[in-house]
Parts: sequence; structure tokens; C-alpha cells
Amino acid sequence: EVQVLEAGGGLVQPGGSLRLSCAASGFTFNNYAMSWVRQAPGKGLEWVTAFSVKDGTTYFADSVKGRFTISTDSSKNMVYLQMNRLRAEDTAVYYCAKDFTIFGVAFFDHWGQGTLVTVSS
Amino acid sequence: EIVMTQSPDTLSVSPGESGTLSCRASQSVKRNLAWYQQKPGQAPRLLIYGASTRATGVSARFSGSGSGTEFTLTISSLQSEDLAVYYCQQYNDWPPLTFGGGTKVEIK
Repeated sequence: EVQVLEAGGGLVQPGGSLRLSCAASGFTFNNYAMSWVRQAPGKGLEWVTAFSVKDGTTYFADSVKGRFTISTDSSKNMVYLQMNRLRAEDTAVYYCAKDFTIFGVAFFDHWGQGTLVTVSS
Repeated sequence: EIVMTQSPDTLSVSPGESGTLSCRASQSVKRNLAWYQQKPGQAPRLLIYGASTRATGVSARFSGSGSGTEFTLTISSLQSEDLAVYYCQQYNDWPPLTFGGGTKVEIK
């Protein structure tokens, strides 16, 4: 059974940093891209970043480019989201999501339960 | 960036009736479109990909159609468990992957 489980959310001050982690299991980790998608309170879904296992390329939404990084540890089937220079508008539930397509970045067939990040003083 | 626009914002449907949700892309995404269902307090769930292919385990009451810039998700014989927000997402031209703003389905 595929499982995706996020951790690391919490309260952080504006300008601060936070690292989210995502534990993945039940599938061949090195075959699938992983993304982070966020949802501000009462709002819609926003794709944040993706890690392409095909060539190790990372992709980012303009809203987080230069502040967020995504990385993986294939020995542990883990995905990480390092968030720096956090802003109030980064407040959201952050979902880790597995891509459906082998070696591609497209859409998501498995999602974690989400972890809440609150940026506030 | 491809902008996805969903309508209506809220759809109110009586149990047993059908409801149609729309999703429009600002430029052609061919058939590279997915639909998700998000129930209150839950993570999104993949319903449809490739504009019309149901994901594993999805009820046949959900059907998708369209191509290019116009897409629809139809929910037939609506049930109370279908109460949710539904999102479309394009994956034809990225980054960024983009979602529509969502349609909330209410049960009359």
C-alpha cells in the first residue's frame, strides 16, 4: 500500500526557516517524481515544487523560487522541503504528493494528510 | 503560466440528480487535465486524469470529458458522500503545474 506521511510543520516567525519531511513507502521511490502542494486556509491548491527522479531536476513556483529547496534521500525514501525567508503568505497546509507517471511530472495519485505551517509573529 | 478557471463556484444538487462542473484553460492543454475531489478536512483525491480516465477505485458516477481549453466533470446520481470541493489541474505546460480555484458541491 502506498503511503505518504508529512511531518515538520509548526509556527515560525516571518523571516524564519522550517524544514518539512515526507516519508514515502509502498512504491519504487526512485521511479516517481515527488511534489509539494500547499493550501492556504480556506483557499485552493497551489503547486509549490517538484523533484524529478528522471534527471534530478527541481522545479519551483515563482512564489517560492530562491527561498525554498526540495531534496530527496533515496536511501530512506524521504523527501524534504527546506523553507527559508518565510512570509505570512506561506501560511498553509503543505501536502507531499506522489506523481502518477513513471519518471514524469504530471499529476498526483497519492497525497499525504498534510502538515500545517503558520508564519506569524 | 496557464490559468485554470472553474465554474460555478458552488453547485447545489439534489440527491439522485446529476451535476456538471466546468474547467477552462487559458490556452490549450490538449487532454492533459486531472480532476481531484477534496472532502472537508481531507487531502485531495485523484478522480480523473487524461481528461476522461477514471483513477483506480473511482465510481463510474464520475465522468470527465473535453479537450483543448474546455473540460467538464459530471457527477451522476449525486450522493451525500459527494459533498466536496472539486479541482481541475493541467499538466500540459509546466512549471508551474496549475489548479483551478475549485467548485464546491453542495447537497440540496
